[in-house]
Parts: sequence; C-alpha cells; structure tokens
Amino acid sequence: NAGVTQTPKFQVLKTGQSMTLQCAQDMNHEYMSWYRQDPGMGLRLIHYSVGAGITDQGEVPNGYNVSRSTTEDFPLRLLSAAPSQTSVYFCASTSNTGEAKNIQYFGAGTRLSVL
Amino acid sequence: AQSVTQLGSHVSVSEGALVLLRCNYSSSVPPYLFWYVQYPNQGLQLLLKYTSAATLVKGINGFEAEFKKSETSFHLTKPSAHMRDAAEYFCAVSEGYRGSTLGRLYFGRGTQLTVWP
Repeated sequence: NAGVTQTPKFQVLKTGQSMTLQCAQDMNHEYMSWYRQDPGMGLRLIHYSVGAGITDQGEVPNGYNVSRSTTEDFPLRLLSAAPSQTSVYFCASTSNTGEAKNIQYFGAGTRLSVL
Repeated sequence: AQSVTQLGSHVSVSEGALVLLRCNYSSSVPPYLFWYVQYPNQGLQLLLKYTSAATLVKGINGFEAEFKKSETSFHLTKPSAHMRDAAEYFCAVSEGYRGSTLGRLYFGRGTQLTVWP
C-alpha cells in the first residue's frame, strides 16, 4: 500500500543547478499538489494539477515547473536552483470519492539544500 | 482565496492536561475544514475533517474539533495530553475548484505542541 512516494528523500544542490523531484501515487487520484514547508510559514502551494495534462500555479510558483503526463506521476522541476529554494517539499494527492473525498494524502517529503 | 489563522505558534501542556489548539478561517462557510498532524521528519497525516454533517468532529488519537460558524473557528481539543501527542499541528481549509468542492488546500502556519512529563 504505497500511497504517495517521493524521491529523493534528501538532496544538496549548488546554486544554478537544476533537478527534478519525483512524486508518484498509486491511488488513481486526479488532483495532485506540490507544497514547500518553511519554518513558521506552514505549507505553501507551489503548483497543482486536476488531472493529466492540466496544471496550474499556486501561491509560490516562481522558479518551479511541473507537468502531468500521467495520472500517477507529478514531477516538480527546479530550473536553476537558488538558496531561497532550500526547503522541505511535499507532494500530495487528493481523493475525490466517498468518505475520503477532499482528503489530501502526503508523501514523506524531500529535504532540499541549495548552497 | 481562503486564509487560515492559527493562534499560537507554540503550545506547551503537561501530560494529562487539556490540549486546545486554535484555528480561525476567513470565509463564512468553507466546504471542508481539516486538522493535520506532522511528527518529526515525517509528512502530514490527517487527524480529522469537517464536512458539515456534524459540528463536533471526532478524529484519531482522542482529538476532536468543533466547527462554530458564528466565530469562523475550528479549534482542536483533547481532554488529556499524552507525550506521544508532541508534534506540529496544521489547520487547513479547502476551496472548491471550477465549481467542485475538490480543490486547493490552504494551511495555517502550524502550532508546535510540546507535552511535559
């Protein structure tokens, strides 16, 4: 029962490098999201998707790209990493049926440091 | 857009004492309200959710929350704290997307609960 799987768990980048954070879910959820968590700021939405081929910006989209070619996968790309992107990143998928409707299920997170 | 305010970034209680974590939201009647818990170095787990079926919602681990429309509040309580309750707690509000109740989740900034022996 995998749920939401994020890889890698930890990553260190140098300023200017690019990388992709992976997120996969096996619950057939249409809605997926990426958040970043910073101390005292709660979780802030970066990008989200309501289904394959459909993505939209959240509160803090600058410096990040997403795509959704399949229902299962929702990768987050850092185009040119900056120290301000040092954070913990969480992917979530949302149920749209039954008792679990609108509950977001979170991955374990990716801890990213940009030097 | 919704906004969520959690009063008190840190709350400390003794083991066995009442836990009260406060949450206020901006809209009059949001579709869904949630409390999530985050243990150290883990992702968020659902504690409970409000869906308008009942104003008092019971969650896991003995927690419950009461929806009060007049106060736009959704405070989280537990009668007797346990050491294992030490974690960060997030209140969240869901906003519909394109007419659906399934949509974006707005989080408060979190409340760190410390439980003293």
